[in-house]
Amino acid sequence: NAGVTQTPKFRVLKTGQSMTLLCAQDMNHEYMYWYRQDPGMGLRLIHYSVGEGTTAKGEVPDGYNVSRLKKQNFLLGLESAAPSQTSVYFCASSYLGANQPQHFGDGTRLSIL
Amino acid sequence: AQSVTQLGSHVSVSEGALVLLRCNYSSSVPPYLFWYVQYPNQGLQLLLKYTTGATLVKGINGFEAEFKKSETSFHLTKPSAHMSDAAEYFCAVSDPQAGTALIFGKGTTLSVSS
Repeated sequence: NAGVTQTPKFRVLKTGQSMTLLCAQDMNHEYMYWYRQDPGMGLRLIHYSVGEGTTAKGEVPDGYNVSRLKKQNFLLGLESAAPSQTSVYFCASSYLGANQPQHFGDGTRLSIL
Repeated sequence: AQSVTQLGSHVSVSEGALVLLRCNYSSSVPPYLFWYVQYPNQGLQLLLKYTTGATLVKGINGFEAEFKKSETSFHLTKPSAHMSDAAEYFCAVSDPQAGTALIFGKGTTLSVSS
């Protein structure tokens, strides 16, 4: 009963390095999301996907790219990491429809020095 | 545009006391409303949701919330706090007509003292 799994759980990067965060869900959900959580800011949507092969920008997309090549996976990429991207990143997934609750992973804690 | 305001970034109660966490929303259409809880070093878990129908919604762990359209509110309550309720709580809203993504409030940290 895995649900939403995020890899890795922790990572430290140097400014300018690149990396990819992986999100996998085993619930056959159509929609997937990437959020970042910063103290006092709640969760802010970075990018989302409404199905395999589709992606869309959220509230704070700059500096990030995403891909949804397979329905169960949603990748978040940082091409050139900046200290402002130090955050906790959460992936979520849901069935079709705005009335469906989102299921969250446990997060990836990313520090950029 | 939709928005969510959670009044009070930090709420402290004694064990056994009433818990009241406030949430107000701004939306041009009746929204779908959600409360999530986040325990330390974990992701968010759904507590309850309102989509249509009965305006008083019961969730897990003894929590409930009431949708009040006239007040644009969706406050979360629990009659008697338990130490295990200490966590961060997020109110969220989605637009039934336009959106798939949730708009989250900034969160309220609940502390429970013995």
